[in-house]
Amino acid sequence: EAAVTQSPRNKVTVTGGNVTLSCRQTNSHNYMYWYRQDTGHGLRLIHYSYGAGNLQIGDVPDGYKATRTTQEDFFLLLELASPSQTSLYFCASSKLGAYEQYFGPGTRLTVL
Amino acid sequence: GDQVEQSPSALSLHEGTGSALRCNFTTTMRAVQWFQQNSRGSLINLFYLASGTKENGRLKSTFNSKESYSTLHIRDAQLEDSGTYFCAAEGVNSGGSNAKLTFGKGTKLSVKS
Repeated sequence: EAAVTQSPRNKVTVTGGNVTLSCRQTNSHNYMYWYRQDTGHGLRLIHYSYGAGNLQIGDVPDGYKATRTTQEDFFLLLELASPSQTSLYFCASSKLGAYEQYFGPGTRLTVL
Repeated sequence: GDQVEQSPSALSLHEGTGSALRCNFTTTMRAVQWFQQNSRGSLINLFYLASGTKENGRLKSTFNSKESYSTLHIRDAQLEDSGTYFCAAEGVNSGGSNAKLTFGKGTKLSVKS
């Protein structure tokens, strides 16, 4: 089964703060994704990538940047964090775009 | 409106009983995934279907692309089945640079002794 890890698992920052969430997958998957989960909304796609150096815009990208540095590593950047970005963030990976996605354990971010 | 409509939003079962969860799609989907989110918040893969029916233990899932729905049946429910169940679907244009899953809002299942 695919292994996807995320760090940190919990993060607290203040409004205007700079946050980087990290994701690593070790199964040679091409696609990686960042989602946020909020009560009443399910999971919503922020950004995704189909390879190192590639970035695709998801459904809720405002206020987020992302960078895929290697096939294994995908980062989500919040450069001016706001309380509306308080959420549970999941990273996922899949072999190809139309294949089963595997999720990391999540990062709980609180913006005060 | 939502492309993936999941029902019911909440469900309570006694141990040993069963029920069905359903997702209806407002656009044509080419595959569906079902997940369980446990009490720790982890998303556990249950099924991935491009068509037909799959079964795993006490769980069975069906995906009918033509009629735009998918179901997850749970039988002989156990306490550890409690959690939130999500379906997520790929549109027919997914793949390549358009790979996206659209999630339903989940069914919160409580299994009681």
